[in-house]
Amino acid sequence: GENVEQHPSTLSVQEGDSAVIKCTYSDSASNYFPWYKQELGKRPQLIIDIRSNVGEKKDQRIAVTLNKTAKHFSLHITETQPEDSAVYFCAAWEDSSYKLIFGSGTRLLVRP
Amino acid sequence: EAQVTQNPRYLITVTGKKLTVTCSQNMNHEYMSWYRQDPGLGLRQIYYSMNVEVTDKGDVPEGYKVSRKEKRNFPLILESPSPNQTSLYFCASSLGTGGEKLFFGSGTQLSVL
Repeated sequence: GENVEQHPSTLSVQEGDSAVIKCTYSDSASNYFPWYKQELGKRPQLIIDIRSNVGEKKDQRIAVTLNKTAKHFSLHITETQPEDSAVYFCAAWEDSSYKLIFGSGTRLLVRP
Repeated sequence: EAQVTQNPRYLITVTGKKLTVTCSQNMNHEYMSWYRQDPGLGLRQIYYSMNVEVTDKGDVPEGYKVSRKEKRNFPLILESPSPNQTSLYFCASSLGTGGEKLFFGSGTQLSVL
């Protein structure tokens, strides 16, 4: 089945800098890759997603890139702000079992 | 307001005492799922449901039961809870069955003593 690995597990950046979180997946049949943000004590919330027929998608300060050949995708946050501090999860949709497989999460800290 | 409602938010119980965590969505979503979240392990799927009366196991189904008698409700049942089921539980739903825009409930923090 699908396996998703996420790096780094923790990331500390200065306010205004960029942050990049990377994920790899194992099943070449996976075709949907969302990113979720989870603030302390809150539910995971979808922030951006991408389908495998698209290489890049952007929404204001957030972008996701996908390399199908290498089976990896990345989240890019530019001009980081303290409110970006949270745990970020990548995921891949496994069609054969109808489930999202999540990475283990990245704790992002944006220092003021 | 579109939402997935879980109850209770917090629950402390003892080993062996049956409990049910309720989940209800008001978005007419086809797909519903239960996840548990444990430190360092991310979110792991327990059960999912494609539609009414259609349920199937996820990655960690042992010790759990579910039912989908109505489209909006998807309760999680622990017949005989054990301490290793202490975890944060999330119910989630999406309109289609392709995993897109999975919407999570607020979570249930369960402690089994």
